[in-house]
Amino acid sequence: DGGITQSPKYLFRKEGQNVTLSCEQNLNHDAMYWYRQDPGQGLRLIYYSQIVNDFQKGDIAEGYSVSREKKESFPLTVTSAQKNPTAFYLCASSISLRGNEKLFFGSGTQLSVL
Amino acid sequence: DAKTTQPPSMDCAEGRAANLPCNHSTISGNEYVYWYRQIHSQGPQYIIHGLKNNETNEMASLIITEDRKSSTLILPHATLRDTAVYYCIVRVARAAGNKLTFGGGTRVLVKP
Repeated sequence: DGGITQSPKYLFRKEGQNVTLSCEQNLNHDAMYWYRQDPGQGLRLIYYSQIVNDFQKGDIAEGYSVSREKKESFPLTVTSAQKNPTAFYLCASSISLRGNEKLFFGSGTQLSVL
Repeated sequence: DAKTTQPPSMDCAEGRAANLPCNHSTISGNEYVYWYRQIHSQGPQYIIHGLKNNETNEMASLIITEDRKSSTLILPHATLRDTAVYYCIVRVARAAGNKLTFGGGTRVLVKP
């Protein structure tokens, strides 16, 4: 089945530790995105990528980093500089960055701080 | 991109139609109206989108007013599995118009 796979489903981070969230898609989409969702809130854009080896900051990029070395993969690293990392993280993709194309979402990763 | 306003919550009886309003009074001519929904602890799911005309698919209908300043998502026969948060979003169809942010949405509870 085609889709977006996020792993792990649950992740725990210790103080001062970097952690990386995986996002893989087999939809052959050019554009990929990372969103953060806090309890009871909407989604906020962290980073997005239009094409391989290119990515742009979203609204809340501080404390996060990404890479796009392959079309199908867009991992997100939550660095120790992110002081409040506990949240639900969602990865998405679309055919392109154009606004008339729908987003496909993964099932999310819940990150908690120990 | 234009801002949207949705009621924070609403209840609906199982088997009845659910009508979800969305206000987007600052929408411009090249902005689409999109609806997504999110069931608890899952990723959002695309429902429907439109520009000017009313749209219908297997999940829902989208009614856009003539002046495009508001729209209504209609779930024709709500089931318990339709309980979710529904997000209304407007965005332009130009390049980079897809880097959208979801607002708080409407929390819909379908009751037996």
